[in-house]
Amino acid sequence: QSALTQPASVSGSPGQSITISCTGTSSDVGGYNYVSWYQQHPGKAPKLMIYDVSNRPSGVSNRFSGSKSGNTASLTISGLQAEDEADYYCSSYARGDSVLFGGGTELTVL
Amino acid sequence: QVQLQESGPGLVKPSETLSLTCAVSGYSFSSGYYWAWIRQPPGKGLEWLGAFYLNGKTFYNPSLKSRLTISVDTSKNQFSLKLTSVTAADTAVYYCARLQHWFRYLDYWGQGTLVTVSS
Repeated sequence: QSALTQPASVSGSPGQSITISCTGTSSDVGGYNYVSWYQQHPGKAPKLMIYDVSNRPSGVSNRFSGSKSGNTASLTISGLQAEDEADYYCSSYARGDSVLFGGGTELTVL
Repeated sequence: QVQLQESGPGLVKPSETLSLTCAVSGYSFSSGYYWAWIRQPPGKGLEWLGAFYLNGKTFYNPSLKSRLTISVDTSKNQFSLKLTSVTAADTAVYYCARLQHWFRYLDYWGQGTLVTVSS
């Protein structure tokens, strides 16, 4: 099993929108609607931001949205704010009852 | 509110066994869900280690299956991880977390504990 593929870094200015991609295979991202996204600030535990491709947990800003097309899932953050600067990880259920993570994307708010 | 707290030695010698415990509060194991371990080497990404369900079934990352054991103590509302024959590559922050059915997502996480493998 290989890790899901994410860009190493993305950046944007306050108020702009950015999108982070997460590419897998038909055995994970493409085969199931079980993609989730996590935000991690330095020294902190990951925080669930999106689950089941496009659902937001209670308390997560509606500036965060998720989608999927084929083997690629995406996280979009609109109206970028300084507090959004963090690492973001995608995750997916993988055939055979396991979980795969992406390598992580560092978001810089310019 | 579900809370998880990892505990265990912060330093383990090479070739020895790494043992960690995750105490769960605010939720009873007997109510269901899966419970998982995840790790993160310094400066690197997340890696799923494995999970268990209360029916006794365990699930392991294939790359670690031969060295990893996850067990549960329902009387203490806690679960444990044992990783044998550790090397420096096992140095990481280890997290425990609650895993939704069908392995859909991890909704509650512990704060993590750093384990360093060094002589």
